Parts: sequence; C-alpha cells; structure tokens
Amino acid sequence: GQQVQQSPASLVLQEGENAELQCNFSTSLNSMQWFYQRPGGSLVSLFYNPSGTKHSGRLTSTTVIKERRSSLHISSSQTTDSGTYLCALEPNSGTYQRFGTGTKLQVVP
Amino acid sequence: DTTVKQNPRYKLARVGKPVNLICSQTMNHDTMYWYQKKPNQAPKLLLFYYDKILNREADTFEKFQSSRPNNSFCSLYIGSAGLEYSAMYLCASSRDPPPGAGNTEVFFGKGTRLTVV
Repeated sequence: GQQVQQSPASLVLQEGENAELQCNFSTSLNSMQWFYQRPGGSLVSLFYNPSGTKHSGRLTSTTVIKERRSSLHISSSQTTDSGTYLCALEPNSGTYQRFGTGTKLQVVP
Repeated sequence: DTTVKQNPRYKLARVGKPVNLICSQTMNHDTMYWYQKKPNQAPKLLLFYYDKILNREADTFEKFQSSRPNNSFCSLYIGSAGLEYSAMYLCASSRDPPPGAGNTEVFFGKGTRLTVV
C-alpha cells in the first residue's frame, strides 16, 4: 500500500491565512524531507527534519516519529506560496526515499 | 556549492529517437538518483547509483539506462522515446552510508522537462 499519504490534496487560502499540511506514513523512517515544487516543476528543499520541530521564516515543520506523521505549517500565507508541497521519507527498511502525492496550495489575494 | 546541475532545462524529442539527459554535482556525494515527475503524480524513482553500482526499479528496468563515469556525473538515457516519456526528469544526490542506514538528506536539481512529439 501507499507508504506516504499527504493531506489535504488541495487547499485554497486567502492571503494572510495559515495552513497546516500533513504527511502520514505507514512505515518506520530514517529521514523526512519537505519540498516545494515550483509551478515549472523543479523541487526546492524546505526542511530536512527526521524528528522534532524546525523553523524557517513563516514555515515550521514538525515530525513525530512515534505517531508516524509530519506536518508543515505555513503562517501568514502569501500568493507566492502557491504551488505543490511534497513530503518524502526514507524508510528504515533498506529502500530509498519515497514521495507523497503532494498538497496543491493556492493562495489568492 | 550544494547545487545539483541538470542539462538541458528543456528537451524536445521525436518519438522513437534517443534522449540523453545530464546531471552533475560537486558535493562528492555517494548516491545519485533519477526521478520522473508527471503532473499530479508523486516523483517516481527510476534508478540510482550508489558509488559505481546501478540500481534500477523493477518496473522501469528496461526503459531507462544510466551511466556514471565518475563521482560527479550521471546521465539518464532513453533508447527510443515514446509519448509516455514526456515528463519532468529530476536528478538528485545524497551523501549516503550503505542503503537504508538512514539520515539521508537529498539535494535536487532544477530538472529537465522532456517533451516527446
């Protein structure tokens, strides 16, 4: 089955609103990474966060290993935040990084 | 320099013709990966090199080839492109211990958008 589930699949925000994106996984993990995919398709790494909480500007990532979830919080959203957010994990079962299907975020003025 | 470089950024190919995509990194990373990304789908791992050892995913085994003549360089080769190969191709690298040992931060290039007509 799907090892990495992201929710919601899509989200529309008014500029200034906050968002919480979820990544749930069905396997034990070695690493967790959040990416932002630009409309053109390239991936930008936002956080490498195997556990705990990390902050970067308006973004916060929290990974709780025992609950098998990771979240990405976007505060005070801006129209430039629009795009697709992907989480990816490396299972500790000896296979390489696996991606979720992403959350498509649209922030409107 | 923590960048992974991919060339070209855009590639147009004819059905049935070969395609060669290029990736390089100067971080002395052990592992280099190739992913295929189509709209509304998760990136799909096609293959990876750990050092000089090539690992190809079972369902893409015969469709894609790769070479890694040195630590910094990795190519993705399609022998005969089909319409279904149109996608973004993402190269990535990581400094790895042996597979599955953990704590693997992955760095991605900007991708090559391949359009097959």
